[in-house]
Amino acid sequence: EPEVTQTPSHQVTQMGQEVILRCVPISNHLYFYWYRQILGQKVEFLVSFYNNEISEKSEIFDDQFSVERPDGSNFTLKIRSTKLEDSAMYFCASSLDRVTYEQYFGPGTRLTVT
Amino acid sequence: EDKVVQSPLSLVVHEGDTVTLNCSYEVTNFRSLLWYKQEKKAPTFLFMLTSSGIEKKSGRLSSILDKKELFSILNITATQTGDSAIYLCANKAAGNKLTFGGGTRVLVKP
Repeated sequence: EPEVTQTPSHQVTQMGQEVILRCVPISNHLYFYWYRQILGQKVEFLVSFYNNEISEKSEIFDDQFSVERPDGSNFTLKIRSTKLEDSAMYFCASSLDRVTYEQYFGPGTRLTVT
Repeated sequence: EDKVVQSPLSLVVHEGDTVTLNCSYEVTNFRSLLWYKQEKKAPTFLFMLTSSGIEKKSGRLSSILDKKELFSILNITATQTGDSAIYLCANKAAGNKLTFGGGTRVLVKP
């Protein structure tokens, strides 16, 4: 069964450093998403992406965040200058379309900022 | 602001018991309600509900939506230890994002 994959599974970085989290969505899916889950808290929407541009973003997704689909398979989330409060599990998800189809989640990348 | 509230926060049952999980929501431009199971990491999709009163079923799991009263329930019958997980409810309104509830942690004891 097709699945969303993410790398790395765990990333440790120092405050102020840039990190790039990588995702490979399901191959025929057209919509891509990033969510995050701070330990013990709800899963929160960050951004959705379609046709090589952001279609929706949350208040969390400020100027330090960016997304990119650099090739036909990868979807990346970049955090330019990490802060302690960016420590969380980051989930990538994809869906066939944005209305009628469910979103499938990857296994997540645990980001620890020290 | 869209809101999704789940109850109870957690529950402990024994194998063979039936559990009922609740999800209420306040959203504008409702499209669908989704249930996910989260074990160690990724939320795994269970159901997507768009119409009131139509039960969706998969094995021992079932779910139904009430769009008038703005809630959904997830039932698990004949629970097994493998059902131990956090169950997440999420709303999809107009647009792309899912708004998640806080989850219900279910522990099934042998």
